[in-house]
Amino acid sequence: AQSVTQPDIHITVSEGASLELRCNYSYGATPYLFWYVQSPGQGLQLLLKYFSGDTLVQGIKGFEAEFKRSQSSFNLRKPSVHWSDAAEYFCAVGTPTTDSWGKLQFGAGTQVVVTP
Amino acid sequence: GAVVSQHPSWVICKSGTSVKIECRSLDFQATTMFWYRQFPKQSLMLMATSNEGSKATYEQGVEKDKFLINHASLTLSTLTVTSAHPEDSSFYICSASGTSSYEQYFGPGTRLTVT
Repeated sequence: AQSVTQPDIHITVSEGASLELRCNYSYGATPYLFWYVQSPGQGLQLLLKYFSGDTLVQGIKGFEAEFKRSQSSFNLRKPSVHWSDAAEYFCAVGTPTTDSWGKLQFGAGTQVVVTP
Repeated sequence: GAVVSQHPSWVICKSGTSVKIECRSLDFQATTMFWYRQFPKQSLMLMATSNEGSKATYEQGVEKDKFLINHASLTLSTLTVTSAHPEDSSFYICSASGTSSYEQYFGPGTRLTVT
């Protein structure tokens, strides 16, 4: 069975500092991996996704993630955070079907707090 | 990107009543829709998957008679929480994927409070 682990429940970072959010997965085949962001009381916004190919994936809002098969990881990074990056971040693994990404299994989430 | 809406955005109902939540794909045809539940400060848990015109497939532990899902058209899926109880209070989020894209688009969520 697939699983997704986000080891950090909560991260505090200073505005302008770099940010890295960890995600580890367990999946039998090549996974479809995603990072989503959720602001309080809102739905989810897709930051980036990895299906295959280049293991360094660029996303929106200046985020990037690197797929490392040997470490079963898909960590999210941003070189310089902005106060607006304060939110909940979810890593997810997908099991695609013929016409959709299929079921998404989400990690527990990491709450990011940005201090001045 | 494609847009998914949910209605209502929040609802308060009395214990024992039923409440319906709508999920609409506004600019694409959604062959598959997913319903998630999110408790405060927790992750999203998939409740069920529905394909247009078919019965929904529920995840283990989700009561299909309590959470009725209908996906009658390619743009609308509904989740009805029957005989709601306070423990059903949660944030319900739908997502949809269409015929032309694998991507799954999320709605803004519906906050249900049962008193």
